Amino acid sequence: GIQVEQSPPDLILQEGANSTLRCNFSDSVNNLQWFHQNPWGQLINLFYIPSGTKQNGRLSATTVATERYSLLYISSSQTTDSGVYFCAAGGSNYKLTFGKGTLLTVNP
Amino acid sequence: GAGVSQTPSNKVTEKGKYVELRCDPISGHTALYWYRQSLGQGPEFLIYFQGTGAADDSGLPNDRFFAVRPEGSVSTLKIQRTERGDSAVYLCASSLGPGVGYTFGSGTRLTVV
Repeated sequence: GIQVEQSPPDLILQEGANSTLRCNFSDSVNNLQWFHQNPWGQLINLFYIPSGTKQNGRLSATTVATERYSLLYISSSQTTDSGVYFCAAGGSNYKLTFGKGTLLTVNP
Repeated sequence: GAGVSQTPSNKVTEKGKYVELRCDPISGHTALYWYRQSLGQGPEFLIYFQGTGAADDSGLPNDRFFAVRPEGSVSTLKIQRTERGDSAVYLCASSLGPGVGYTFGSGTRLTVV
């Protein structure tokens, strides 16, 4: 099956800083999603992005399917951005393999 | 409802007992998924329903695990003869169909003692 690797595993930022999270996947995908898991465990869907670029407020994501990677950009980070960011990819359009996540801590 | 609802939020059971975990998806979402998340790991796929049928149950770890969705809406994940290794957060998600973004519920934290 697909392998998903995320980097960095941990990231500490000061409020207001920008960051880039990376997701590499081992095979072609029909489904790629980014999620944020808040400190209470709730998984929030950020982007459905098997290819191309999308933006939503301070967050944007780019997937280069031919090179098998996706990037999540967080600009002007806030303390509420803290949590674990997961990339999940799938060769089929329904079954996702999750990476181990990036633990982001934003300090005030 | 507005979101995916999972009950109970927490379940503590004794080893060997039977448990049922319930998922109520967003109204109109035909696709429903169960995942399991262990501490410090990403969620792992268990089963996918499209409508009433289990389209892919390849992630169920063994035959003690079974899931149903009889009317194409609410789903129940059933675990027989629970083992301590079954302890995890069981997550349910739904989507309008396959190939679009998921909405996850808050999960059921299962602890087998």
